[in-house]
Amino acid sequence: DSGVTQTPKHLITATGQRVTLRCSPRSGDLSVYWYQQSLDQGLQFLIQYYNGEERAKGNILERFSAQQFPDLHSELNLSSLELGDSALYFCASSVALAANTGELFFGEGSRLTVL
Amino acid sequence: EDQVTQSPEALRLQEGESSSLNCSYTVSGLRGLFWYRQDPGKGPEFLFTLYSAGEEKEKERLKATLTKKESFLHITAPKPEDSATYLCAVRGGYSTLTFGKGTMLLVSP
Repeated sequence: DSGVTQTPKHLITATGQRVTLRCSPRSGDLSVYWYQQSLDQGLQFLIQYYNGEERAKGNILERFSAQQFPDLHSELNLSSLELGDSALYFCASSVALAANTGELFFGEGSRLTVL
Repeated sequence: EDQVTQSPEALRLQEGESSSLNCSYTVSGLRGLFWYRQDPGKGPEFLFTLYSAGEEKEKERLKATLTKKESFLHITAPKPEDSATYLCAVRGGYSTLTFGKGTMLLVSP
């Protein structure tokens, strides 16, 4: 158990809908990262928050947004969903801003299926 | 843009049959190369960090090595429980990691 909690584990929805994925980082970790994993693209970095502030942005679509709350949990909002958004969404956390050791602690992911 | 290419995409070994996985990378100013293990339906789990060419790290049957252009994950006398997808990632000038697509390893008894 990594200590990172993600909900829901599975989500099935229709095109055009909006969903929210939630992540609780490990106790004491200030950095939260969101990754998307699909069979053809592998793990793609979406966005990072550190202590409530956005710190880095990757290949995140404009239809997607995220935030980190004062209690450090984070939410990833996906809107106007398309079939291609079906994927595993992982949250990871680390103590420091830059994860110097490269040791990110990943949750078990939220599997999103868009029909 | 940082890039990571892993090969082979999939590898099937018999128990006890040693082999190596490859990770080639392109990064501006390498600040670390990382190996992760991912079991089906789980999130990636950290294995190793390598910082400079010539560095090696070991953990049980796994040994990771690093050169200026690539890293190898050597698996010695693997067991079925070593079956997983192994991911390589690099960190360049940014605080985030860039992952390869992984090598799916299956070790048969």
